Amino acid sequence: QSVLTQPPSASGAPGQRVTISCSGSNSNIGANAVTWYHQLPGTAPKLLIYGGGQRPSGVPDRFSGSKSGTSASLAISGLQSEDESDYYCATWDGSLNVVVFGGGTKLTVL
Amino acid sequence: EVQLVESGGGLVQPGGSLRLSCAASGFTFGTYWMDWVRQVPGKGLEWVANIKKDGSNRNYVDSVKGRFTISRDNAKQSLYLQMNGLRAEDTAVYYCVRDVLGASSHWGQGILVTVSS
Repeated sequence: QSVLTQPPSASGAPGQRVTISCSGSNSNIGANAVTWYHQLPGTAPKLLIYGGGQRPSGVPDRFSGSKSGTSASLAISGLQSEDESDYYCATWDGSLNVVVFGGGTKLTVL
Repeated sequence: EVQLVESGGGLVQPGGSLRLSCAASGFTFGTYWMDWVRQVPGKGLEWVANIKKDGSNRNYVDSVKGRFTISRDNAKQSLYLQMNGLRAEDTAVYYCVRDVLGASSHWGQGILVTVSS
């Protein structure tokens, strides 16, 4: 059972906008910025969003991150087939003194 | 080019030990916190441990406390994970990660550790 809760799956048609939620608590999301990763099968995770809403170079602005209270969201607009991947949220938990990950969300592009 | 290359994985019996190494190149290793993250094949990511730039602060997930030790040698640009008392549930791909939550996040390709008799 992950400290951060993500839906196990999400889906959308090409061109649509989808959001993936990540729910935590005051000690993690409520107090710290959220990082988002995506991971294709058999490969290492790649950074998508850091600092809550910043994108590293090379990540298109179709991807955006936000936070409200103890929940965070990743939004993907203009969905493309290559967005089909597993997505993970992560942050620091100040009470546990650990990095916590969400359980991951498998995004399917219909 | 930033590179993180893990080594030292393999098959080990329950109760046994392994030492993972991560060779870093392409950046000044001693200026970053470093982490180990693991992933059971087909499952999600689990953070294992991290270590401060100078090695003065280390944190561990509860399930490995007292069994695993993270360390680093900045002169050798290397990160280590000494794993003792291995259990079947430690079976996973282990990733060496730079700055796991930050803008400079970079992951190695991962190395498989299998604990089985």
